[in-house]
Order: sequence, then C-alpha cells, then structure tokens
Amino acid sequence: GDSVTQMEGPVTLSEEAFLTINCTYTATGYPSLFWYVQYPGEGLQLLLKATKADDKGSNKGFEATYRKETTSFHLEKGSVQVSDSAVYFCALGGNTGGFKTIFGAGTRLFVKA
Amino acid sequence: NAGVMQNPRHLVRRRGQEARLRCSPMKGHSHVYWYRQLPEEGLKFMVYLQKENIIDESGMPKERFSAEFPKEGPSILRIQQVVRGDSAAYFCASSPGGQGAYEQFFGPGTRLTVL
Repeated sequence: GDSVTQMEGPVTLSEEAFLTINCTYTATGYPSLFWYVQYPGEGLQLLLKATKADDKGSNKGFEATYRKETTSFHLEKGSVQVSDSAVYFCALGGNTGGFKTIFGAGTRLFVKA
Repeated sequence: NAGVMQNPRHLVRRRGQEARLRCSPMKGHSHVYWYRQLPEEGLKFMVYLQKENIIDESGMPKERFSAEFPKEGPSILRIQQVVRGDSAAYFCASSPGGQGAYEQFFGPGTRLTVL
C-alpha cells in the first residue's frame, strides 16, 4: 500500500541555518503531497502542498518540490527561526486509497537562538 | 469563519468507561476524518465519513470503536470500555467535497488519558 517515509528526528539547528527534512513516498497512482506542521499542544496546520509532478509548494519561506523520478518531496528553508520549532509531517493523499491522508512519522525540529 | 472544533480538549477516563469525542467541521465542509496520534508517532487514519454515511473505516479497530456523522450536529467518535492503550490524541479533520477534498483542515485534537 501507499506509505510515506521521512527522516528521523530530532533535528537541532541554530537560528538562520539551512533546513532540509527528507521525505520519500511509495504510491501506485498519482497522489497529492503535503507538509503539515504541528506546534506543541496544537493540531496540524497545512504548510504547503503540491498536486502533480514538478510542482513546487511554498509558504512562509518553506518550499518542497514534487519529484516523481525520485519519489521525493523534501522540505527546505533557507534560514530557520526559533519560531519554526515544531514537528513536521510529510503526507500523501488523494490516491487510489481514496480521500484518506497517509502521514509520515514526523520530524521534530528544534531551533536554538 | 471558525475552524474545525473539537471537544473536549482533554478527557480523562478510567478503564472500562466510555469516551465520546466530538468534532464540528468547518462551515461548508461535508467530509470528516478521524485520526489517532500515539505519543511520538505520526497520525494514523481511522475513519472517513460524510453526512449519515461511513465511507471508509479501514483504520478503525474492529471492536469498541464507532463513529457517526449525523444529519444534524457534530461527528462523534465513541470508544467503549476504554483501555490504557487507547490513551492518545484524537484529531478530526474536515474538507469540502469535490476537487478540494484532498486538503484537510485539522482541529486542535482531544487528548484522551485512560487511568
């Protein structure tokens, strides 16, 4: 079945460092891909999405490109802030499995001042 | 426009009791999803409902768990005879129908603790 694998955390960076969180997926069809962010004690918020190959999703300085050839959707940000500390989830949806969204295990990011 | 509402935010139950979790989708949304998040893990799909219909319950445990989304009122996730292993955060999400169906908007979650 469909699945999402993302790099294990925690990831600890200093403020203004470059961030990459790797995400790869397995799917038989043509899913949409998402990054969600979860701040402590809160629900998930959609950070960005891409609906087809070579699409680039971007929001709040974060971006990710839907790479069908490598089945990847890596999250990047050029300069992280302390306020970016959260758990980031890669997810896929809208594939042959219907409307449910399949999530990766999450990557916790700590940004130090 | 209010977001997805869940209540209660925190729920404590003793083993053997029943837990009822409520979810009100965003205005205009007709699709509701329930997910469970165990500590330090990702979200696991449980069930997908539309008004008065269960569309996909492939992630629901076979016993003790049930869900509904009545014509009027919130969606309810019901856990009977809770056990310690049911302790988790339960998140509800909603989406509109049609082309927007794949982007889901999440509520703040209900954190269930079973003593």
